[in-house]
Amino acid sequence: DTEVTQTPKHLVMGMTNKKSLKCEQHMGHRAMYWYKQKAKKPPELMFVYSYEKLSINESVPSRFSPECPNSSLLNLHLHALQPEDSALYLCASSQVGHSIDTIYFGEGSWLTVV
Amino acid sequence: GENVEQHPSTLSVQEGDSAVIKCTYSDSASNYFPWYKQELGKRPQLIIDIRSNVGEKKDQRIAVTLNKTAKHFSLHITETQPEDSAVYFCAASRRMDTGRRALTFGSGTRLQVQP
Repeated sequence: DTEVTQTPKHLVMGMTNKKSLKCEQHMGHRAMYWYKQKAKKPPELMFVYSYEKLSINESVPSRFSPECPNSSLLNLHLHALQPEDSALYLCASSQVGHSIDTIYFGEGSWLTVV
Repeated sequence: GENVEQHPSTLSVQEGDSAVIKCTYSDSASNYFPWYKQELGKRPQLIIDIRSNVGEKKDQRIAVTLNKTAKHFSLHITETQPEDSAVYFCAASRRMDTGRRALTFGSGTRLQVQP
């Protein structure tokens, strides 16, 4: 099983709403990632969790709040977003401290902020 | 930090021809170089990768070469087919402490294979 599952697939939210994106993997990976991808651009790293601890925060605004409740789950809490935050949000996972470094992406959550 | 440059931004080839996409990276500590294919509206999918201790790797019609000295790596697709049409991203990654990795992507190449 090489699946990273993301929900919801599509989300429309107002600038005053609070919503969450969810990600789940059952590959035993202990590194999980959030990437943001705008149209016609490459994915940009937002956060990295390693062993359920936040290890990289790429200067992301505080209106994005990640959470890693356990080794299989990764959430991204959204609050007071701006229209320019509309993008595809990709979750990914990989093994840690292993010779196999493949990073697996989920299908993504399409976010539209209105 | 790492900087990855990718060329060309668009590439149009006839079916059956070869396609070559080139990337350069800046961080000599990078040691893992994956290539992803992304079809419209879909996730990036790994198609091939290469580690810094290898100079070339091939998987059927796809090959990747790495020149560590020059800090560049290339994707070669032979006998292209219409279903190869997609955006291709190169990436460079270095292992950080505790084993986690950070991928930096190139800007992408839109490949169009004309039937």
